Amino acid sequence: SQTIHQWPATLVQPVGSPLSLECTVEGTSNPNLYWYRQAAGRGLQLLFYSVGIGQISSEVPQNLSASRPQDRQFILSSKKLLLSDSGFYLCAWSVLGTEVNEQYFGPGTRLTVT
Amino acid sequence: EDKVVQSPLSLVVHEGDTVTLNCSYEVTNFRSLLWYKQEKKAPTFLFMLTSSGIEKKSGRLSSILDKKELFSILNITATQTGDSAIYLCAVGRGWGAQKLVFGQGTRLTINP
Repeated sequence: SQTIHQWPATLVQPVGSPLSLECTVEGTSNPNLYWYRQAAGRGLQLLFYSVGIGQISSEVPQNLSASRPQDRQFILSSKKLLLSDSGFYLCAWSVLGTEVNEQYFGPGTRLTVT
Repeated sequence: EDKVVQSPLSLVVHEGDTVTLNCSYEVTNFRSLLWYKQEKKAPTFLFMLTSSGIEKKSGRLSSILDKKELFSILNITATQTGDSAIYLCAVGRGWGAQKLVFGQGTRLTINP
């Protein structure tokens, strides 16, 4: 069966510090991968998605970037965090292809920027 | 601009009641509508709907999509305290990697 991992689970970082969140998927090959953010009191917002190694698409302009160095690894980064970057970050995966497929979410990372 | 609106935003009922949660959408290149349940952390997948009028059912939960009127409902019968959660509606758009647009969620509280 497929499993998706995220770490760290929680993170408190000062404004201006760098960020690296990691997501890995087990039990599947060539997944589509996604990063979402859930700000307090708001719905989930898609930040980035990837259909393959090195292929990243950004949905919204922001202070963050994403990379996919391996097939089942997805990394969310920032060089300098802003207060507005606080939120709950969720990684998700779906089966690769043109068919309609559901997305499955990881446990999330709660980021607080102080 | 793509938009998904859920109602009500919050609902409190007693155990055993039946509830109906609503989701309306305006999204370009519609492909699917998905329902998720979010308790403490990660949303867990409930249903994916792609065709109008075909009910999907899992135990006490069921959902149906109306692509003409652009809405979906999620029904929960004989509610239990374990059904307390935030229910998220999302619409998938585009081909291949589906870009999900989420509603703001309905917070459902079941009192014993």
